[in-house]
Amino acid sequence: DGGITQSPKYLFRKEGQNVTLSCEQNLNHDAMYWYRQDPGQGLRLIYYSQIVNDFQKGDIAEGYSVSREKKESFPLTVTSAQKNPTAFYLCASSASGGSSYNEQFFGPGTRLTVL
Amino acid sequence: QKEVEQDPGPLSVPEGAIVSLNCTYSNSAFQYFMWYRQYSRKGPELLMYTYSSGNKEDGRFTAQVDKSSKYISLFIRDSQPSDSATYLCAMRANTGNQFYFGTGTSLTVIP
Repeated sequence: DGGITQSPKYLFRKEGQNVTLSCEQNLNHDAMYWYRQDPGQGLRLIYYSQIVNDFQKGDIAEGYSVSREKKESFPLTVTSAQKNPTAFYLCASSASGGSSYNEQFFGPGTRLTVL
Repeated sequence: QKEVEQDPGPLSVPEGAIVSLNCTYSNSAFQYFMWYRQYSRKGPELLMYTYSSGNKEDGRFTAQVDKSSKYISLFIRDSQPSDSATYLCAMRANTGNQFYFGTGTSLTVIP
């Protein structure tokens, strides 16, 4: 089955710790994204990557870092610099191709709680 | 002004009702329009996708795009309790890979 997997489903972090959220896709999509979802605020873009070894900051990149060493994988690190990291994190991917239509597919999400 | 505006609801309807969900947007460059359904504590799933203006129907769901008014709609006919979820609209321009989302509308269908 093709799809996007995220792990872990639930993650607890102590203040001052860095944590890494995993995202893997087997859809052969070039583009991958990380969003943060908070109640009443919808989805806010953290980082996105259109191709391996390249990524761009989204609207709320401060306190987060990413890497894109493989097409299938786009891990997100929540650093201690992120002041309010408790949220639901969603990874997504889409095909890439300029004017061709794109649909974005989401993983099941990781719920991060800071203790 | 946000790129995409969506009434958060909540919206509560009886089973069998027709539901209308809407989004407005400000960027005339948006060409691709999507509706997602998100159940509680789950990732969004793509429901409908349309390109540019017009209507698209899929079973009980109809998506409409009016680019002249910068307004998109999702209609759900014969609503079912299983339709209870948050519905997110999303859109993007012809260039670039960044998607813009509404805040989502919470829908409850009462049996």
